[in-house]
Amino acid sequence: GDSVTQMEGPVTLSEEAFLTINCTYTATGYPSLFWYVQYPGEGLQLLLKATKADDKGSNKGFEATYRKETTSFHLEKGSVQVSDSAVYFCALSDQTQGAQKLVFGQGTRLTINP
Amino acid sequence: DGGITQSPKYLFRKEGQNVTLSCEQNLNHDAMYWYRQDPGQGLRLIYYSQIVNDFQKGDIAEGYSVSREKKESFPLTVTSAQKNPTAFYLCASSLSGGETQYFGPGTRLLVL
Repeated sequence: GDSVTQMEGPVTLSEEAFLTINCTYTATGYPSLFWYVQYPGEGLQLLLKATKADDKGSNKGFEATYRKETTSFHLEKGSVQVSDSAVYFCALSDQTQGAQKLVFGQGTRLTINP
Repeated sequence: DGGITQSPKYLFRKEGQNVTLSCEQNLNHDAMYWYRQDPGQGLRLIYYSQIVNDFQKGDIAEGYSVSREKKESFPLTVTSAQKNPTAFYLCASSLSGGETQYFGPGTRLLVL
């Protein structure tokens, strides 16, 4: 079945550092790809998404490009802030029996130090 | 404001007890979902519903039950058959056929 593999965490960076969180996927079709963010004790919030190859999703300074040739959707940010500390989940959409379901990676915990 | 609410925020279960987690949405979404999150792991799908009075098992449905009597409500019951219920439970909803899911704040279930 479809699956998502994320970079192992935790990741610790200093403020203003460059961030990359790797995400690769396995899918039989052409799924949409998502990044969700989870702040401590809260639910997930959609950060960005891309629906087809070469699309770039972006939001709040974060970017990710849908790379079909490498089956990847890496998350990047040029200059992180302390407020970016959270757990980040990569996910893909999987249509089964007429229903759209999400398949998640295991999450990457990011800590930004001032 | 439109959104998804889950209650309670924390729930305690005794051995052999069934407990019910509430999920309500006012987004007018047709589809609703329940996920379980364990520490250091991704989300796993328990049940989902695409329309009122219909629902399907997800990947880890054993020990759980749901109902969908109203469009805006999708309660999850954790039965005594679920031997390891301690987890963070997340409810989500989406438009019919829509790929983007919107999540509630979650309920943390603990066993006494």
